[in-house]
Amino acid sequence: DTGVSQDPRHKITKRGQNVTFRCDPISEHNRLYWYRQTLGQGPEFLTYFQNEAQLEKSRLLSDRFSAERPKGSFSTLEIQRTEQGDSAMYLCASTLAEGRGEQFFGPGTRLTVL
Amino acid sequence: QKEVEQDPGPLSVPEGAIVSLNCTYSNSAFQYFMWYRQYSRKGPELLMYTYSSGNKEDGRFTAQVDKSSKYISLFIRDSQPSDSATYLCAMSSRGTGGFKTIFGAGTRLFVKA
Repeated sequence: DTGVSQDPRHKITKRGQNVTFRCDPISEHNRLYWYRQTLGQGPEFLTYFQNEAQLEKSRLLSDRFSAERPKGSFSTLEIQRTEQGDSAMYLCASTLAEGRGEQFFGPGTRLTVL
Repeated sequence: QKEVEQDPGPLSVPEGAIVSLNCTYSNSAFQYFMWYRQYSRKGPELLMYTYSSGNKEDGRFTAQVDKSSKYISLFIRDSQPSDSATYLCAMSSRGTGGFKTIFGAGTRLFVKA
């Protein structure tokens, strides 16, 4: 399968715990995005990378959130001291920076904070 | 006012009906227009991509863009129960920092057999 993959698909955690999600983009894609989606809403932009550089972060991304893409391939999104309001679907998408902008999404990681 | 407005539905139609889904937007800088289909608890899947005003057809799907009215549409012909999903419109503009993409809230579609 050459699409975008995400791991884990589901995560249940207790409030205050740290969680980390992984995204593997389409191999030739140099741009990688993270989004958050809550019920009844479209994806909301969190941050994106071009290669290993994090170029933009949304104000939605509080200081409890950090993302990395150390080698310009896979990316991780960590949430520290999780809160119940962090419960959402976390989506990763990738695209070519030189392309037309259409993004290809992974299956998402559904986070539930108890 | 949101940059992209999309009626959340739900929209319920009988099998075989023609479905019309719409979005309006306020930012005239948007140049690229997309429709994604999202099944429950899955990631969005790119359905249609258009760059300019006009129509683009792909099988049972037709995407229409009217930049002068800031209005885009997706038509589904001969709708099938398997088309039951949430349809998200998305719009992008290319700036100095790359593409900025904004998504609509999605319209839930139910196609009854």
